[in-house]
Amino acid sequence: AQKITQTQPGMFVQEKEAVTLDCTYDTSDPSYGLFWYKQPSSGEMIFLIYQGSYDQQNATEGRYSLNFQKARKSANLVISASQLGDSAMYFCAMREGPSDYKLSFGAGTTVTVRA
Amino acid sequence: SQTIHQWPATLVQPVGSPLSLECTVEGTSNPNLYWYRQAAGRGLQLLFYSVGIGQISSEVPQNLSASRPQDRQFILSSKKLLLSDSGFYLCAWSQDRGISYEQYFGPGTRLTVT
Repeated sequence: AQKITQTQPGMFVQEKEAVTLDCTYDTSDPSYGLFWYKQPSSGEMIFLIYQGSYDQQNATEGRYSLNFQKARKSANLVISASQLGDSAMYFCAMREGPSDYKLSFGAGTTVTVRA
Repeated sequence: SQTIHQWPATLVQPVGSPLSLECTVEGTSNPNLYWYRQAAGRGLQLLFYSVGIGQISSEVPQNLSASRPQDRQFILSSKKLLLSDSGFYLCAWSQDRGISYEQYFGPGTRLTVT
């Protein structure tokens, strides 16, 4: 079964607007971590933000915030004030267990920012 | 600061030829190391990971193998490439301590098997 589901294959957003990228996950482990990565056309994966399952507050990193809804098993990424440089593929990933190193990745969402 | 290097950046190899991709990390010690493969327009598939020298865990049975001859060196190999081995190969590292274990990726190698 898919551990990470990203249902939006592609999205368009106007420059300076906010965009929300959906991510749902499936795990029975009470301890897990959720990650978002950005992959521009160059191919390199860039770590954006992390949310732990026991974190009480939603994670934020600059223009990135994670809308963590634990009961719904949802970890949506919000990018505020979109910039042309935000055009890229975005991946949601999960680490299960307190010390498991492995990440499971979703299929990704392509974001295109329009001027 | 830590940096991760991968080479070559691109590679075109005929079917049946051998493969060796190299990954090195600088600025940290005893990192966890990972090899991923990404098919065009798809997510990442974990191939191998290593928590120490000589310790390799395989996630997917396939035509590839990995080795870690030194603490900060991770090598992906194949004796005979298949067409299905084409893809984008990414190496990553993470700290062996901390909470999040976020992984940091190298620039990747685009492999085309012809």
